[in-house]
Amino acid sequence: EVQLVQSGAELKKPGESLKISCTGSGYTFSNFWIAWVRHVPGKGLEWMGMIHPGKSDLRYSPSFEGQVTMSADKSLATAYLKWSSLKASDTAVYYCARRPCSGGNCYSDFWGQGALISVSS
Amino acid sequence: DIQMTQSPSSLSASVGDRVTITCRASQSVLSYVNWYQQKPGQAPRLLIYTISTLQSGVPSRFTGSGSETDFTLTISSLQPEDFATYYCQQSYSIPLTFGGGTKVEI
Repeated sequence: EVQLVQSGAELKKPGESLKISCTGSGYTFSNFWIAWVRHVPGKGLEWMGMIHPGKSDLRYSPSFEGQVTMSADKSLATAYLKWSSLKASDTAVYYCARRPCSGGNCYSDFWGQGALISVSS
Repeated sequence: DIQMTQSPSSLSASVGDRVTITCRASQSVLSYVNWYQQKPGQAPRLLIYTISTLQSGVPSRFTGSGSETDFTLTISSLQPEDFATYYCQQSYSIPLTFGGGTKVEI
């Protein structure tokens, strides 16, 4: 059974750093892109970017490039999302999702449970 | 960036109703459109990919159609478990973009 399990909720202060994780199981982790999606409560979904653990390939949304860092450790079947200096506006639920491709189209078929990140002084 | 404009942003419907949600892309995205359902407090769930292919386990009352810039998600007979927010997403070019969402309420 394919599963993505994310690290837990975090309460942080502005300016602090944070790294959250997404661990895959039930499939060959290094064969699929992992995407990160932000969901601000009451707002829509935002695609942040994606990483291919097997190719060490990264694609960022321009809206998030420079604001976060994506990485992955295929030996641990884990992807990471890191902030070096959090802002209150980073408060959101962050999801990871596996992205298979078929016929040239890629889509997110399995999702992590989400990690609520709250940033407040 | 490709803008995905969904309409309506919300709708009220009853069990058994036929519901149609539209999504318009600011430029052609060919067939690279996917639809997701999200319920409060839950992760999004893939319903349909590549315009009209039903994801495994998704009921056949969900159908997708369209091409190039105009796409539609239809629920043929709304069930109680279908009350949720629905998003389209284009996978044609980076940054991948979602529509603003359509909240389906009772």
